[in-house]
Amino acid sequence: GNSVTQMEGPVTLSEEAFLTINCTYTATGYPSLFWYVQYPGEGLQLLLKATKADDKGSNKGFEATYRKETTSFHLEKGSVQVSDSAVYFCALRIPNTGNQFYFGTGTSLTVIP
Amino acid sequence: DGGITQSPKYLFRKEGQNVTLSCEQNLNHDAMYWYRQDPGQGLRLIYYSQIVNDFQKGDIAEGYSVSREKKESFPLTVTSAQKNPTAFYLCASSPETGYNYGYTFGSGTRLTVV
Repeated sequence: GNSVTQMEGPVTLSEEAFLTINCTYTATGYPSLFWYVQYPGEGLQLLLKATKADDKGSNKGFEATYRKETTSFHLEKGSVQVSDSAVYFCALRIPNTGNQFYFGTGTSLTVIP
Repeated sequence: DGGITQSPKYLFRKEGQNVTLSCEQNLNHDAMYWYRQDPGQGLRLIYYSQIVNDFQKGDIAEGYSVSREKKESFPLTVTSAQKNPTAFYLCASSPETGYNYGYTFGSGTRLTVV
């Protein structure tokens, strides 16, 4: 089946620290991969995406590379800020399944000054 | 600005009542989705619709119903058959074709049983 596994949180980092949130997936077919961010009390916002192997998605200093050989899409940021505190969701989408998403369980990040 | 509007933001339901959550989009997206979010469980798909007057059950459809009479609207009814409805409900939309597209999410409705 199709599924996404994320590293469990919560994650607490000091400001300017390096961030990695691990994400691995299982999929039939050739998925597109996404990272979403959710701020408290809000819906999810698309952070970045990659649609084929070796693509790198990037946005707001965050990056993730689609690694087909390791079925991974790890999220990284070189220097986190307090405003990055949120819950991060890894997700995949594959064709011919109603185009629905499969989400990971989310990883909560808190950045302290 | 284009987007998805969910209302109300907070909703309280008494035992045995049906309640309806509103979801409206002006993005001209064909596909719309309802997810339920519980702490520590991520998002679970309730129903989705790829075209007007058609919808499909997701992973946890029992106790819920939907309609899609207009492209812009995809209301979700939480019926009395849903035994544990307290959760955060998220509506999303996407262009029907192209799995390379992301969802656009609404800001959610928090439903509490009292």
